[in-house]
Amino acid sequence: DTEVTQTPKHLVMGMTNKKSLKCEQHMGHRAMYWYKQKAKKPPELMFVYSYEKLSINESVPSRFSPECPNSSLLNLHLHALQPEDSALYLCASSLQAGGRTGELFFGEGSRLTVL
Amino acid sequence: KNQVEQSPQSLIILEGKNCTLQCNYTVSPFSNLRWYKQDTGRGPVSLTIMTFSENTKSNGRYTATLDADTKQSSLHITASQLSDSASYICVVRSNYGGATNKLIFGTGTLLAVQP
Repeated sequence: DTEVTQTPKHLVMGMTNKKSLKCEQHMGHRAMYWYKQKAKKPPELMFVYSYEKLSINESVPSRFSPECPNSSLLNLHLHALQPEDSALYLCASSLQAGGRTGELFFGEGSRLTVL
Repeated sequence: KNQVEQSPQSLIILEGKNCTLQCNYTVSPFSNLRWYKQDTGRGPVSLTIMTFSENTKSNGRYTATLDADTKQSSLHITASQLSDSASYICVVRSNYGGATNKLIFGTGTLLAVQP
């Protein structure tokens, strides 16, 4: 079973709504990630947090706003999304962002549908 | 340009048969290569990691190979089971160092095992 927990598993929202995706890990990992995955495509990196600081933002639109309240939690705040933002949002963690082996542990994802 | 290409895109085999999935990469500098298994609607799970000096590594019925000279990797599945039906993603880590180490995802091979 994955040790990265994501909530909610499914989310349906309108384009004017504000919602948040949450991610939690208790493995002592210091790097956390948000990925977006469309159907039949590989995950695309959105954000990387290293030691609770945003280290990578892959030119993600501002309607996606990440937050890392502490080393175990990662949020993704959603506002004014578009239907094309519908996707599976995956959270992942690793021991360190720049580690040599750097296995990513993924959560089961939050399936987002924007109407 | 750093790229990871996988073949075939999809594959259907009968239960109990063997199969081999291919991954070709042009990532440089190379750090390591991982094979992930992703069940439909779930997060990817690491199967095995290959570093520059490793040629073959097994994990149960999964055997990965790496040829660093030709920049090719394969994942061989022996005696397939219905539960092997999933997407298999090859992920190569580049070795820039620090938090900017990049993971390059392949497009995946969708495997369907039929009874």
